[in-house]
Amino acid sequence: DQQVKQNSPSLSVQEGRISILNCDYTNSMFDYFLWYKKYPAEGPTFLISISSIKDKNEDGRFTVFLNKSAKHLSLHIVPSQPGDSAVYFCAASAGGTNAGKSTFGDGTTLTVKP
Amino acid sequence: NAGVTQTPKFRILKIGQSMTLQCTQDMNHNYMYWYRQDPGMGLKLIYYSVGAGITDKGEVPNGYNVSRSTTEDFPLRLELAAPSQTSVYFCASTRQHLSYEQYFGPGTRLTVT
Repeated sequence: DQQVKQNSPSLSVQEGRISILNCDYTNSMFDYFLWYKKYPAEGPTFLISISSIKDKNEDGRFTVFLNKSAKHLSLHIVPSQPGDSAVYFCAASAGGTNAGKSTFGDGTTLTVKP
Repeated sequence: NAGVTQTPKFRILKIGQSMTLQCTQDMNHNYMYWYRQDPGMGLKLIYYSVGAGITDKGEVPNGYNVSRSTTEDFPLRLELAAPSQTSVYFCASTRQHLSYEQYFGPGTRLTVT
């Protein structure tokens, strides 16, 4: 059973508009959530994260929203730029002694058209 | 800083061959991880280590072995390569316990034929 799901394999938006990427999780033990960005032939790079004690975290053009009751988080990119075109992975981690392990979704490929 | 480095970048193996994927980090991170990514899928954890001399299995450990003799190095060993191990392999590290942000290497693309 997949514990972290990104139900949209791909998303296409126009430059300057908002991109919204969604992620759902099933494990109630997850208390920290991260988004990674991946370009072809490169490793993922950390983008933004949020702790379960918050419902929003903002970093420049990127904002992550967390709805714990719905077990849902989303990444908003405003305004979207062509350089944002990449695969975005949602990841979730449980606290305690989990050794920093994260469970990843399958990714959403974002294409930002000029 | 180089961050996390992986060698080789690409490799083609024949069924039954063995090889070691190298991973080195220069950030003095205690926690290190090996993932595989199959096409269209997310990253699956193979093995991880919380420090030198300590390793543990992840979600998909079968067919792999690891060792951690130093803080910097975390090699992944494939003993009897199978076509199902064709994948892209990523090594990652984390600064410390409760620091969940992982730093990834560039990956090794492995094909087993």
